[in-house]
Amino acid sequence: EDKVVQSPLSLVVHEGDTVTLNCSYEVTNFRSLLWYKQEKKAPTFLFMLTSSGIEKKSGRLSSILDKKELFSILNITATQTGDSAVYLCAVSTTSGTYKYIFGTGTRLKVLA
Amino acid sequence: DTGVSQDPRHKITKRGQNVTFRCDPISEHNRLYWYRQTLGQGPEFLTYFQNEAQLEKSRLLSDRFSAERPKGSFSTLEIQRTEQGDSAMYLCASSPRAGGEQYFGPGTRLTVT
Repeated sequence: EDKVVQSPLSLVVHEGDTVTLNCSYEVTNFRSLLWYKQEKKAPTFLFMLTSSGIEKKSGRLSSILDKKELFSILNITATQTGDSAVYLCAVSTTSGTYKYIFGTGTRLKVLA
Repeated sequence: DTGVSQDPRHKITKRGQNVTFRCDPISEHNRLYWYRQTLGQGPEFLTYFQNEAQLEKSRLLSDRFSAERPKGSFSTLEIQRTEQGDSAMYLCASSPRAGGEQYFGPGTRLTVT
């Protein structure tokens, strides 16, 4: 069965800290991995990764995929209180299904 | 703003009643997804449309759930004979390509009393 596992489940840091969120997956015929940020509303898209070793970056956020080891990390540097949210990882496959498989998310809280 | 919209944003209903939710995707996106999300969980896939064709439906979805996308634009999700276990956030998302980024609507929060 396809699955996506995120760790840690929750994390509390102070402003200015750097955090690393993990997403590992076991799916048949991987197509892409996506990261989302979810505050008290719907998820908003952050990154899509399809190739190993190529870092995607947007401001203080960056992400990289390792297709050999079947995981991705999301880094946030110089965290701010506005980074407090649930970060979701999702994977899509090419194995005859159109669905995206989501992890349960990592809840990040950044303290002032 | 031409993002994904959903209506209503909140719905409270009594057990046994039918409810219908609407989703308007980003106009140029032909792929549309419905998800259900409960507290502390990631979104759970319900069904997928490509244009007006419903191409996939979750095995977890009971016969009380039905979805349509009649003209390949907006979509509706109906739940018949609601149960308390149906209480959740129902999210709609659209995407421009297979495996691509999804854009989510604000969701409809359903409470079944």
